[in-house]
Amino acid sequence: EPEVTQTPSHQVTQMGQEVILRCVPISNHLYFYWYRQILGQKVEFLVSFYNNEISEKSEIFDDQFSVERPDGSNFTLKIRSTKLEDSAMYFCASSESSRYQPQHFGDGTRLSIL
Amino acid sequence: AQRVTQPEKLLSVFKGAPVELKCNYSYSGSPELFWYVQYSRQRLQLLLRHISRESIKGFTADLNKGETSFHLKKPFAQEEDSAMYYCALIPRQGGSEKLVFGKGTKLTVNP
Repeated sequence: EPEVTQTPSHQVTQMGQEVILRCVPISNHLYFYWYRQILGQKVEFLVSFYNNEISEKSEIFDDQFSVERPDGSNFTLKIRSTKLEDSAMYFCASSESSRYQPQHFGDGTRLSIL
Repeated sequence: AQRVTQPEKLLSVFKGAPVELKCNYSYSGSPELFWYVQYSRQRLQLLLRHISRESIKGFTADLNKGETSFHLKKPFAQEEDSAMYYCALIPRQGGSEKLVFGKGTKLTVNP
């Protein structure tokens, strides 16, 4: 069964540094998402992406965050200048062409900011 | 604002016992409701969604609009059901596709 893949599985970064989290959605999916889960808290929506543009974003997704689909397969989340509070598990998800199809999640990237 | 509440952080039952994981939601419109499951060291997986009205791995969930609940039930729990369970909704209002999650319930099924 096709899966969403995320790399790296664990990223350790100094505060203030830029970080890029990578995702390869399922190949025939057209809707892409990023979520995050701070330790002990809920999974929270960050952003959705369709047709090469952001379709929805949360209050968390401020100017420090950006997303990109640089080629036909990758979907990246960039944090420009990381803060301690960005430490979390970041999940990528994708869904098929229909807006009413379920979202499939990757294994996540654990981001640790020192 | 949309909110999903899972009142039990931890739930422990014995194998063969019935299990019910509670989920209540707050949303003025008609949401789409889901249950996601995360087994140990595995990814979040869709367990079931209310519009499918199906039973997966013996689990069912009925949307009760009057009580704004979507409780997950299984008549006879198995040890392999031990996992983290998340209730979630998609508001659909304005075309939103974001999943709004509850905090999750950790289910432990004891032998």
